Amino acid sequence: KAGVTQTPRYLIKTRGQQVTLSCSPISGHRSVSWYQQTPGQGLQFLFEYFSETQRNKGNFPGRFSGRQFSNSRSEMNVSTLELGDSALYLCASSLGGGVETQYFGPGTRLLVL
Amino acid sequence: AQTVTQSQPEMSVQEAETVTLSCTYDTSESNYYLFWYKQPPSRQMILVIRQEAYKQQNATENRFSVNFQKAAKSFSLKISDSQLGDTAMYFCALAVYNQGGKLIFGQGTELSVKP
Repeated sequence: KAGVTQTPRYLIKTRGQQVTLSCSPISGHRSVSWYQQTPGQGLQFLFEYFSETQRNKGNFPGRFSGRQFSNSRSEMNVSTLELGDSALYLCASSLGGGVETQYFGPGTRLLVL
Repeated sequence: AQTVTQSQPEMSVQEAETVTLSCTYDTSESNYYLFWYKQPPSRQMILVIRQEAYKQQNATENRFSVNFQKAAKSFSLKISDSQLGDTAMYFCALAVYNQGGKLIFGQGTELSVKP
């Protein structure tokens, strides 16, 4: 089975712009979770989608949003980018979410200038 | 609120030796799972081992084993016969049953295996 894929792998944006990141889960997985990884804050949970519905959300401002499509692919969007949004964004998929094992993609490295 | 703490930011070990990475966690929930993930330099995060809280038996996966002390809320990872490929950042993570799809991570331990 193919693993979790994320596109693009690298992205450079300027402050104020918006960005959309994409995640394709492992075939058959219906849950997708997103995380932000920074040297200072570590790995922080953004949100989780299951069957096109957001089931859980972390403590991030409303500029961070996401969605999931009927084929379980997910996108996350960050609007009005700030310098502090520079990070590695990881998505992970699992069969049904909950406490099931999550399998991670390679991440999208976002640099905001 | 749930928390995960890894008190060793960096560790090093000689090839073929054994090393133990520490992790403590806090949750008031009774139904939860614990994980160790490995993130090699510039490579993606992979699962090392998983432990269900309701199981008393410690999980093992080849050279990797855990010491799960539920009462002490401790979940350490032992790597036996360390190999150069074990060099990575190791993260301890907690998933609580009623918090769907959310992993709570520790700050990580950077492990270097030296030849």
